[in-house]
Amino acid sequence: AQTVTQSQPEMSVQEAETVTLSCTYDTSESDYYLFWYKQPPSRQMILVIRQEAYKQQNATENRFSVNFQKAAKSFSLKISDSQLGDAAMYFCAYDMNYGGSQGNLIFGKGTKLSVKP
Amino acid sequence: SQTIHQWPATLVQPVGSPLSLECTVEGTSNPNLYWYRQAAGRGLQLLFYSVGIGQISSEVPQNLSASRPQDRQFILSSKKLLLSDSGFYLCAWLPGQQNEKLFFGSGTQLSVL
Repeated sequence: AQTVTQSQPEMSVQEAETVTLSCTYDTSESDYYLFWYKQPPSRQMILVIRQEAYKQQNATENRFSVNFQKAAKSFSLKISDSQLGDAAMYFCAYDMNYGGSQGNLIFGKGTKLSVKP
Repeated sequence: SQTIHQWPATLVQPVGSPLSLECTVEGTSNPNLYWYRQAAGRGLQLLFYSVGIGQISSEVPQNLSASRPQDRQFILSSKKLLLSDSGFYLCAWLPGQQNEKLFFGSGTQLSVL
């Protein structure tokens, strides 16, 4: 069975600095999706970034980028120029790719990110 | 544009009472629909998903059930709530095949007392 592990329950970063959130996963599949979701205090789940396993290039979305190491089964999220609005719970998630996402996401337990002014 | 509606936003129910949470999607047809639950301090766990009317798959055995009476309506139910049913429930939808992004509703905070 697939599993997702986030080893950092809490992280803190100074405003304008860079922080990296860790995520490892376990799967025997060769093709899959990995996601980072943000959950602010409103509890709305917001997709931050998505990575397809067969793509070697790391995904980037503005200040957010990932370091995808397929062999190591590692998928870390880097937030550059951190802003106060980045404070939230961040969840790493895995989904199989059977001609597209299946929507049956497996989530890690999350990392609570605090941003200090 | 597509939108997802989920209600109520908060709900306090006594142990042993019934439950009905409703989710509807607009602006799309034949979506895949999902119910996730987030227990306090935990990540989300998939409870049910549906690929069509009347088709329900359960991921975790529990006190809850789901139904899809219409194409864009997904209902989470219980006949008798348990304390352990407390949590944050999120409905989500996927536009169908060849899609890569799951869209979430705003969630329902259920407290069973």
